[in-house]
Amino acid sequence: AQSVTQLGSHVSVSEGALVLLRCNYSSSVPPYLFWYVQYPNQGLQLLLKYTSAATLVKGINGFEAEFKKSETSFHLTKPSAHMSDAAEYFCAVSSVMAGKLIFGQGTTLQVKP
Amino acid sequence: GAGVSQTPSNKVTEKGKYVELRCDPISGHTALYWYRQSLGQGPEFLIYFQGTGAADDSGLPNDRFFAVRPEGSVSTLKIQRTERGDSAVYLCASSLSGAVYNEQFFGPGTRLTVL
Repeated sequence: AQSVTQLGSHVSVSEGALVLLRCNYSSSVPPYLFWYVQYPNQGLQLLLKYTSAATLVKGINGFEAEFKKSETSFHLTKPSAHMSDAAEYFCAVSSVMAGKLIFGQGTTLQVKP
Repeated sequence: GAGVSQTPSNKVTEKGKYVELRCDPISGHTALYWYRQSLGQGPEFLIYFQGTGAADDSGLPNDRFFAVRPEGSVSTLKIQRTERGDSAVYLCASSLSGAVYNEQFFGPGTRLTVL
């Protein structure tokens, strides 16, 4: 079985500060990992994905994430937060056999001026 | 259209009624997924279609929920005898194929409210 845990349902940072959103996964098979962003009243949008190639994955809007198998983690980071980054962020896991995505409960990112 | 579309955007119904939610995937996408997102939660998988057939329906909560995709494009999620606990946003996604490395593109969702 696969599962995802996102630590911290709400994260607040100042504009220009580092963004760190935490994601830990559980998987009995090699995982594929994803980060999605959901802006208010919009659909989910893919930020980045890990598919067993490079462990450091770069995504859109300056976000990146590092796959750490020993820690079963896939944390999302951005060096400098922008006001426009305020949104809900979801980590998800899948596998080559599954196709479907298993999502975490989400983290709301607030960016303060 | 350019993206995944879902209709209606909002649906309010009474307990015990039947509802249908529609999803139009991106043209040419063979894989289609339905998810349900309750307030404050992440999306929860319901069912996955590859072409016309349901390849994985393990997420459907009970036999009141049913989905079809008769021509391999548009899909309809059907809920019988709705209950207040069915209130949620129902999301549809499509991808080029069912391969996990293909991006799933999500629609804006249908917000279902059962009174």
